[in-house]
Amino acid sequence: EIVMTQSPATLSVSPGERATLSCRASQSVSIYLAWYHQKPGQSPRLLIYGASTRAAGIPARFSGSGSGTEFTLTISSLQSEDFAVYYCQQYNYWPFTFGPGTKVDI
Amino acid sequence: QVQLMESGGGVVQPGRSLRLSCAVSGFTFSNYAMHWVRQAPGKGLEWVAIISYDGTNKNYADSVKGRFTISRDKSNNTLNLQMNSLRTEDTAVYYCARATTSEITFGGVIPDWGQGTLVTVSS
Repeated sequence: EIVMTQSPATLSVSPGERATLSCRASQSVSIYLAWYHQKPGQSPRLLIYGASTRAAGIPARFSGSGSGTEFTLTISSLQSEDFAVYYCQQYNYWPFTFGPGTKVDI
Repeated sequence: QVQLMESGGGVVQPGRSLRLSCAVSGFTFSNYAMHWVRQAPGKGLEWVAIISYDGTNKNYADSVKGRFTISRDKSNNTLNLQMNSLRTEDTAVYYCARATTSEITFGGVIPDWGQGTLVTVSS
């Protein structure tokens, strides 16, 4: 099983600041990496797939990069609605696996 | 718009069975692979199972393999999850979700999620 790790566990930032979240895979997953965020009491929402392609309706302030084992999600200027838990997920190998999440809070 | 509505959750004793269903609308159900993903209380996301557009191909997380069965009914646009031999560690919110592909290979991107149904396994 591919183990996904994320850092940091918690990221404290202010609105308007830049946030950089990291995700690492235990072996190469090529570019088969997605990012989701989840607000309290809500279902997850797809942000990025293919490591760097924004999903439909996702603002340009969200960007993804990386390949192989190292990936980054960048939020260029945090808005109040961006405070949430962010998960990465690999879908190159069975079983699909999620990282433990990074909580972005104020 | 895409709608996914789970049902069937509840409280069940360890070792018993439960069947979850998901009614879908707003897209052509028979064109897409479908997932179940779960989230234990206060924990992260765990992928559970996937089924291809026509039901012929399936895959499961090791933690549920041999106990859970994913299926779909195209006549009434419903996704199902039969859960047998339930354990306390199966306690979670179970989400029904749509893939972006018809087949299960590389079908892990999940653009649409239901609101989830809570399953509690407790004596």
